[in-house]
Amino acid sequence: DQQVKQNSPSLSVQEGRISILNCDYTNSMFDYFLWYKKYPAEGPTFLISISSIKDKNEDGRFTVFLNKSAKHLSLHIVPSQPGDSAVYFCAVHTGGFKTIFGAGTRLFVKA
Amino acid sequence: NAGVTQTPKFRVLKTGQSMTLLCAQDMNHEYMYWYRQDPGMGLRLIHYSVGEGTTAKGEVPDGYNVSRLKKQNFLLGLESAAPSQTSVYFCASSYSGGLIPRYTFGSGTRLTVV
Repeated sequence: DQQVKQNSPSLSVQEGRISILNCDYTNSMFDYFLWYKKYPAEGPTFLISISSIKDKNEDGRFTVFLNKSAKHLSLHIVPSQPGDSAVYFCAVHTGGFKTIFGAGTRLFVKA
Repeated sequence: NAGVTQTPKFRVLKTGQSMTLLCAQDMNHEYMYWYRQDPGMGLRLIHYSVGEGTTAKGEVPDGYNVSRLKKQNFLLGLESAAPSQTSVYFCASSYSGGLIPRYTFGSGTRLTVV
């Protein structure tokens, strides 16, 4: 029973266009939401986060949106670049020392 | 700036063999974690440690043991490897302060049990 779901295993986008990666979660008590990015043969790296008291957080080309009523999180990348091609993990920090990760979405940005 | 270093990077084991995966961090982080990544399942927490000399079970601890004798090192042991333990293993560390723990991950160990 996955508490964090990324229903799209992959996404293909043209360079310069917007990439939208989605994530759904089950528990309305989750406090903090994060996105990690992973290149092949490397570990995941932290990308951006948002707390449950906000509905948007922006960092350069990356914006995370949180819809608490729908229990939905999304990551927007504008404009998308070929170097953004990677696997993106949605993650939820549940308090204490526990972070739950989604299964990941592989993004392909075509030049 | 090494960050988190995992050794070895690759290993093939026979069923029943034992091995230890080593994780070392040079950021003076208090918290350290071991995750496994399997296709379609994301990263699942095996064990974690909140400081030197402490360890705790995560989501999938069975078949694994850990030790944190030094703050900078976190060891993951497989006493009797099984094919179900074929996976990519990631170690991570994080700062103990702040509201949102941002993990620094190692590059992973790909383990195959035949």
